[in-house]
Amino acid sequence: AQTVTQSQPEMSVQEAETVTLSCTYDTSESNYYLFWYKQPPSRQMILVIRQEAYKQQNATENRFSVNFQKAAKSFSLKISDSQLGDTAMYFCAFWGRYNTDKLIFGTGTRLQVFP
Amino acid sequence: DTEVTQTPKHLVMGMTNKKSLKCEQHMGHRAMYWYKQKAKKPPELMFVYSYEKLSINESVPSRFSPECPNSSLLNLHLHALQPEDSALYLCASSLTPEFDTEAFFGQGTRLTVV
Repeated sequence: AQTVTQSQPEMSVQEAETVTLSCTYDTSESNYYLFWYKQPPSRQMILVIRQEAYKQQNATENRFSVNFQKAAKSFSLKISDSQLGDTAMYFCAFWGRYNTDKLIFGTGTRLQVFP
Repeated sequence: DTEVTQTPKHLVMGMTNKKSLKCEQHMGHRAMYWYKQKAKKPPELMFVYSYEKLSINESVPSRFSPECPNSSLLNLHLHALQPEDSALYLCASSLTPEFDTEAFFGQGTRLTVV
């Protein structure tokens, strides 16, 4: 069975600083996708970044980037130049193409950005 | 239009009431989902509709009844709920039931059962 683990329930960072959220996963799938979703107080889950396991290059979206370590089954999210609007719950998620019929979510990390 | 619209945003209902949650998307997505989310927890999948047919029911109690009248609309009918059913109910959609394309979520319905 696939599992996703986020070991940091809460984190805080000062505005303009950099913060890294960790995520590890366990799977026997060979073809899979990893995601980071953001859920601000407005409640809507928003896709931040997506990584396909076959791609060795780490995904980047503006201030958000990932460190994908396939052998270690690690998928961390780095937020650069943190902004107050980054305050949210962040969920790491996994989907495997062959044996996973749904998104598997981690337990989430609550990120607070302070001015 | 990249929106998934859910109505109502808030709902308070008694244990004997019947109510419905509505979800709409106009992105041409053929997979739609209902999730239940308790406070400070990740979303839990309830149902998946794929090409307007129910493809996954995660052993959800029968007091929750999903319906997909057409490819743009998803309903969740509620009847005889319990206080522990109070939660945020999220709807999502994706182009296909495979997550190699982006899934879009609505803002959810905050349900309180009294």
